[in-house]
Amino acid sequence: SQQGEEDPQALSIQEGENATMNCSYKTSINNLQWYRQNSGRGLVHLILIRSNEREKHSGRLRVTLDTSKKSSSLLITASRAADTASYFCATDATGNTGKLIFGQGTTLQVKP
Amino acid sequence: NAGVTQTPKFQVLKTGQSMTLQCAQDMNHNSMYWYRQDPGMGLRLIYYSASEGTTDKGEVPNGYNVSRLNKREFSLRLESAAPSQTSVYFCASSEKGGWAKNIQYFGAGTRLSVL
Repeated sequence: SQQGEEDPQALSIQEGENATMNCSYKTSINNLQWYRQNSGRGLVHLILIRSNEREKHSGRLRVTLDTSKKSSSLLITASRAADTASYFCATDATGNTGKLIFGQGTTLQVKP
Repeated sequence: NAGVTQTPKFQVLKTGQSMTLQCAQDMNHNSMYWYRQDPGMGLRLIYYSASEGTTDKGEVPNGYNVSRLNKREFSLRLESAAPSQTSVYFCASSEKGGWAKNIQYFGAGTRLSVL
């Protein structure tokens, strides 16, 4: 069963706008990760936030984590056409021997 | 830096045929994984290997077998392919623990069609 549920399933914005994607999960976690997948390619790790962290930044990416609500959000600021991709959250559940459980993903289209 | 290499990139099989998907990583990672990705389903774990010599079932293991040949290589075998196994298959590797915190590195995928 899928641990992460993401919304929206699809998002279309103009270049320069911000994009926000949300992820909810079900169990206690060690950390939550976000990955990007360009069309026809493998997933690439973007950012990891530990269960004791509330916010993390990496370049134009900002991730928040609310363990009380079992939810996370990924914000991409000042989006570019090159940000067009699918974005997946993945949870490293407590006691899960290293496995990640992936959400269904958000497909982002950034129009030039 | 090759990272994770999967072969083949594309494959078409007839129902009942068998094949092995190959995966190799050059990052000296202990853990390796096989996923399948279907439209709207995200990634689902088929099998994983926490370390050389061990393998465990994931969420959707039926119809598949795996072999952890050595630390570098982890293969996925379809003994009798079925149309329901039409999917994109990804191999990944990771080094759990310490700063790495189970960040996974993915291959480019194998696109399999079973007719």
